[in-house]
Amino acid sequence: GESVGLHLPTLSVQEGDNSIINCAYSNSASDYFIWYKQESGKGPQFIIDIRSNMDKRQGQRVTVLLNKTVKHLSLQIAATQPGDSAVYFCAERAGNQGGKLIFGQGTELSVKP
Amino acid sequence: DADVTQTPRNRITKTGKRIMLECSQTKGHDRMYWYRQDPGLGLRLIYYSFDVKDINKGEISDGYSVSRQAQAKFSLSLESAIPNQTALYFCATALSGTGELFFGEGSRLTVL
Repeated sequence: GESVGLHLPTLSVQEGDNSIINCAYSNSASDYFIWYKQESGKGPQFIIDIRSNMDKRQGQRVTVLLNKTVKHLSLQIAATQPGDSAVYFCAERAGNQGGKLIFGQGTELSVKP
Repeated sequence: DADVTQTPRNRITKTGKRIMLECSQTKGHDRMYWYRQDPGLGLRLIYYSFDVKDINKGEISDGYSVSRQAQAKFSLSLESAIPNQTALYFCATALSGTGELFFGEGSRLTVL
């Protein structure tokens, strides 16, 4: 999962397995959350989002779970593929902070063939 | 063609020099942002603009300034670059009322 510090958390999975990337957010007033994927040498790309009035949202091979009680967000990737190898960031938007997105540290996912 | 274009993509400069990073977008979005990325620290917000006449400081605005020349253009300036401003800089855009940011490909700046 994500944490404060200079070392990027890493997750290594076997191709075909499911991946779970975790994120703890800090602001109980946050009303919107996004997961981004960043491949080497590229800008972050949107994966999936979820509003605070939901606890689960599914996309293609990805699912985001939101637990507001413990301020925890997770991204599940089904049948992980080598192309999923990247750094994954969660971001939260607090309605009381002008709608800015605040990003977590990121988690590096490495998929072994 | 990229919807969010940053120039230059790479720049090496010396301490004390003035540097400008430029961002242009063809998405028609009203909101634009500049983020800085350092290894292990994620993306940190420098400045953001919700409209042409609106400029707001982010988490780490000291040492930076911005200019929103038009709805489609948002530039970031370092008046006197210092080595700890060596980083990867990203411009992003968003449409008001939505949450998703669309990022450029990044500008890598090295200050010697």
